[in-house]
Amino acid sequence: DADVTQTPRNRITKTGKRIMLECSQTKGHDRMYWYRQDPGLGLRLIYYSFDVKDINKGEISDGYSVSRQAQAKFSLSLESAIPNQTALYFCATSDPQGAAYNEQFFGPGTRLTVL
Amino acid sequence: ELKVEQNPLFLSMQEGKNYTIYCNYSTTSDRLYWYRQDPGKSLESLFVLLSNGAVKQEGRLMASLDTKARLSTLHITAAVHDLSATYFCAVLQGAQKLVFGQGTRLTINP
Repeated sequence: DADVTQTPRNRITKTGKRIMLECSQTKGHDRMYWYRQDPGLGLRLIYYSFDVKDINKGEISDGYSVSRQAQAKFSLSLESAIPNQTALYFCATSDPQGAAYNEQFFGPGTRLTVL
Repeated sequence: ELKVEQNPLFLSMQEGKNYTIYCNYSTTSDRLYWYRQDPGKSLESLFVLLSNGAVKQEGRLMASLDTKARLSTLHITAAVHDLSATYFCAVLQGAQKLVFGQGTRLTINP
C-alpha cells in the first residue's frame, strides 16, 4: 500500500462548486503539505501543517482552505472553484528528524479540471 | 525571497551522451533535494544533499552541492532512454519549506 494517498485522483467540476481533496498518510510524519503543479511553473506551496494544531499559508493560498483532521489526514478545499485552479495537486509529508531532514514524500496527485 | 532556477528547462539528448542540469538558488541554504517525475506521475526523491561539497551518485546520475556558489548540479553519464523524465531541484527555505525550480524536461533519444 502507498504511504501517501490522495482522493480523488481525477475530478472535473464546474465554476463556483465547492471541492475537497483529501490526503492520508501512513508514514507517521507530523508535517504535511499541499502543492499545485502547473506546466512550466514547477510546484508551488498552497498550505502546510506541522501538526494538528498548526496550519500555515504558503505562497498561493488565496482561494483555498485546509483542514488537518488528524496527524494522518490533511484536506484541501476550494470554496468556489474557478477555471484557473485547474491543475495537478499534490500532497506531501515530511519528518524533520533524522539525516534526511525535511525530505518530502509525495502522493500520487489529483488532477482537477474546473470548467 | 528564495528563488530557484534550473537550466536548461528542456533538454533533448542522445543515448550514450553525458550532460549536466544546473540548479541555482538565490539565498543561503544548506539543504537541496532532487526529484524525478515521469509524465502523469508523482515525484520520486532521488537525492538529498545536506552540506557544502556533498556528492551523491546512483547509477548514471550524480548530484553535487556547492553552497558557497548556491549551485547544485545533476550530471547524467552515458544516458539511457529510461532516464527520460522531468527533474526538479528544491531548496529548503529556513527550516520549514521547500522551494522548487521550474523543472528540466529531459528526453533521451535512441
